[in-house]
Amino acid sequence: SAVISQKPSRDICQRGTSLTIQCQVDSQVTMMFWYRQQPGQSLTLIATANQGSEATYESGFVIDKFPISRPNLTFSTLTVSNMSPEDSSIYLCSVAGLREGYTFGSGTRLTVV
Amino acid sequence: AQSVTQLDSHVSVSEGTPVLLRCNYSSSYSPSLFWYVQHPNKGLQLLLKYTSAATLVKGINGFEAEFKKSETSFHLTKPSAHMSDAAEYFCVVRKGNTPLVFGKGTRLSVIA
Repeated sequence: SAVISQKPSRDICQRGTSLTIQCQVDSQVTMMFWYRQQPGQSLTLIATANQGSEATYESGFVIDKFPISRPNLTFSTLTVSNMSPEDSSIYLCSVAGLREGYTFGSGTRLTVV
Repeated sequence: AQSVTQLDSHVSVSEGTPVLLRCNYSSSYSPSLFWYVQHPNKGLQLLLKYTSAATLVKGINGFEAEFKKSETSFHLTKPSAHMSDAAEYFCVVRKGNTPLVFGKGTRLSVIA
């Protein structure tokens, strides 16, 4: 199955600033997904990152707040912009495998103070 | 649209007793169903998956799940709980190449 390297693993940020999270995959994948896991909650899909086109955002998530880049088939970034304490969450990227199900990055634990 | 409902937010069992984590799904078509586990401060790990082959699916660490179309259920079971099984468990559904849709999770506690 694909191996995902996600960084940073954690960060503490000041409100009003932005943080960019990176995911690098060891193989080419068509679709990458970004999820948010708020404290004590389940995972919620933020967007699907497609190479060569704009990301597709789920209801409640907008590009200005969570811009996504997908420059090639092995890499994607998610930026959390103009952060507030409500953005404190774990952010995870994921890719779809052919047979193994989906693989997840180890997550980025973000705390906004 | 597909969705899953995990019927228990928290399950507590004694070590050595059976584990049952319940999940019902809603899908217009034959779905793919998964169970993932998340240990504290760890990443998500795939336990098992159902993709329209055998209805009884065996996973890692002694877990298994049975797909019951008539009941729209995909409950996770294990004959004997270990302390190391204490974690958050997510039932997940997918149709085709769409993204995974997660249930709200069930926290499993194992009492010595």
